[in-house]
Amino acid sequence: ELKVEQNPLFLSMQEGKNYTIYCNYSTTSDRLYWYRQDPGKSLESLFVLLSNGAVKQEGRLMASLDTKARLSTLHITAAVHDLSATYFCAVEGAATSGTYKYIFGTGTRLKVLA
Amino acid sequence: KAGVTQTPRYLIKTRGQQVTLSCSPISGHRSVSWYQQTPGQGLQFLFEYFSETQRNKGNFPGRFSGRQFSNSRSEMNVSTLELGDSALYLCASSSTDRGDAKNIQYFGAGTRLSVL
Repeated sequence: ELKVEQNPLFLSMQEGKNYTIYCNYSTTSDRLYWYRQDPGKSLESLFVLLSNGAVKQEGRLMASLDTKARLSTLHITAAVHDLSATYFCAVEGAATSGTYKYIFGTGTRLKVLA
Repeated sequence: KAGVTQTPRYLIKTRGQQVTLSCSPISGHRSVSWYQQTPGQGLQFLFEYFSETQRNKGNFPGRFSGRQFSNSRSEMNVSTLELGDSALYLCASSSTDRGDAKNIQYFGAGTRLSVL
């Protein structure tokens, strides 16, 4: 069964600092997604990672995928307050009967302190 | 270009009732997925529809069902509501078949369902 573990669950960091959020998944998958959710709001798609070694960057966020280690990272560079949100990774994996299902990580609640 | 629209935004029901939620995808998008978000269980995938056919399904009881119309609009129905069905229900649309390399999902604002 496909499982997705995200850590840390909570992250409080100072502005200007760097940090990494980790997303581990348990079975083979060919797609990994990162999303952002602000309090009381819906999800915003950040990155789609499709292959081993894929790296994508947008502003202060950079996501990478290592399919062999079944690990994706979301790296935050020089954090600013506007990055405060909850970040989710999600993995698309094979379910039964040739279908696919999406499994989300538990989310990492990030708070950037001024 | 209008985003994903979910109606209603808020809903209060009592146990045993049924509810229907609606999702209008971004124009041109053919795939619609539904998710349930609760503090205890987090985000869980319900099902996905593509061209009026249910393509994928999560691990939810049969009380949860859905359908998609020819204009790609989708509805989700929950029958015999239970207290544990209280959640934020999110709908997401994407443009094409999962064979598309991007397949980015765009989420609606959600419907917050409270079951009393």
